[in-house]
This record gives sequence, structure tokens and C-alpha cells, in this order.
Amino acid sequence: QQPVQSPQAVILREGEDAVINCSSSKALYSVHWYRQKHGEAPVFLMILLKGGEQKGHEKISASFNEKKQQSSLYLTASQLSYSGTYFCGTLGAGTDKLIFGTGTRLQVFP
Amino acid sequence: DGGITQSPKYLFRKEGQNVTLSCEQNLNHDAMYWYRQDPGQGLRLIYYSQIVNDFQKGDIAEGYSVSREKKESFPLTVTSAQKNPTAFYLCASKWGQFGETEAFFGQGTRLTVV
Repeated sequence: QQPVQSPQAVILREGEDAVINCSSSKALYSVHWYRQKHGEAPVFLMILLKGGEQKGHEKISASFNEKKQQSSLYLTASQLSYSGTYFCGTLGAGTDKLIFGTGTRLQVFP
Repeated sequence: DGGITQSPKYLFRKEGQNVTLSCEQNLNHDAMYWYRQDPGQGLRLIYYSQIVNDFQKGDIAEGYSVSREKKESFPLTVTSAQKNPTAFYLCASKWGQFGETEAFFGQGTRLTVV
């Protein structure tokens, strides 16, 4: 079953912040975040592991709540280059079955 | 350069015909995946393989078949049993370490059935 992402779409002005959520009905070992530009391959952003620390660099960071099987991606001071569709990918313990969420479309305008 | 290659980029087929999409990687990755992408539905897992000569069904395997005879290759066949095959297909691979490593994606194949 696909993880559920919210919101489905976000529209921002440059410099504004956004939060994208990912929720799974199954116990998770890790959560992956990717960004996809239209017609291109998804590009890796970061991985969060069960028991690990919140990750991020500068303006993009993420958290993982193991008890709730939820992860959130934080984008601060958004730039035009942040536009695209964001996907979370989830894996359970002891498996390589990588399942992606429904996606969140982010548009940043000047 | 290491990477994952899908071919062709665009594919047109007549309804009722089987078609095979190619996916090759030279990253020495153990795990390989096929996803289908439709507008508004995200990436849906079709099949995945953790080792050579073994593969598992994903969430939407009906109408598709795969093989994994070599570590670097994971072709996907869209059969005539797939009722709505027109879509964007993405192949991915990763180290088989149960979630601690990132997946790399090919550039995708856009299949149109007429």
C-alpha cells in the first residue's frame, strides 16, 4: 500500500517555507526523499533511518517519527530550483521493497 | 561512467502486442525495480528483484512480467493482458542493504499504446 503524502500540491513565492508529510500504515525501517522535475528521473535528496537523527543540509531537512510511521520534509527559504514533484519512499525492516508515495507537486514563483 | 540506462526513451505499440522495456545498470547493484508513473498516482511498484534469478511482485504486477538472468539487467515485458499500458515507466537500482542506501533511477521509457 502506497504511503500517503500531503499536501498534494503547494504553491510558494521565493523565500517562503513549506512542509511535506509522508504517512505509512506499515512499520518502517527507513524513509527516502526524492525530487522529480517534469519528464526527468527522480533525484535522491536524503534517507532517514529508524533510530537515526534528523537529517538535512542548509535549507532542506527532514524528520522521521518511527512511532507514527511518519516523515516530514522541510523546505525553508524556497528557491525557484525547488520546483518539482517530491516523493517519499519507504522500506520495512529486512526488505528491499521500496514503495513510493503519491507525490507532492511544489511550484515556486518569483 | 556508472549509471542506469533505459531504452528506448519513447515506444509506440499497437494494442494487443507485447513489448519489452530494457533496463541495464553498471553500478553492481543487487536490487532492481520497475515503477509505473501516471499523472496524480505517484510511482507504483510493478516488480522488484533483490538477487539474480529471483524477483517479487509489487503492487500492480498484473499484465507485466520480468526476468533477472544477469545482475546488470532487469527487462520488463508489458503483455497484452495489461489493460491500460500507456504510461511512463521508470527503472531503478540500489545496493541490497535493506534501506540504508539510495536508489538510482533511469531516465524512463514513455510507452504509448494505440
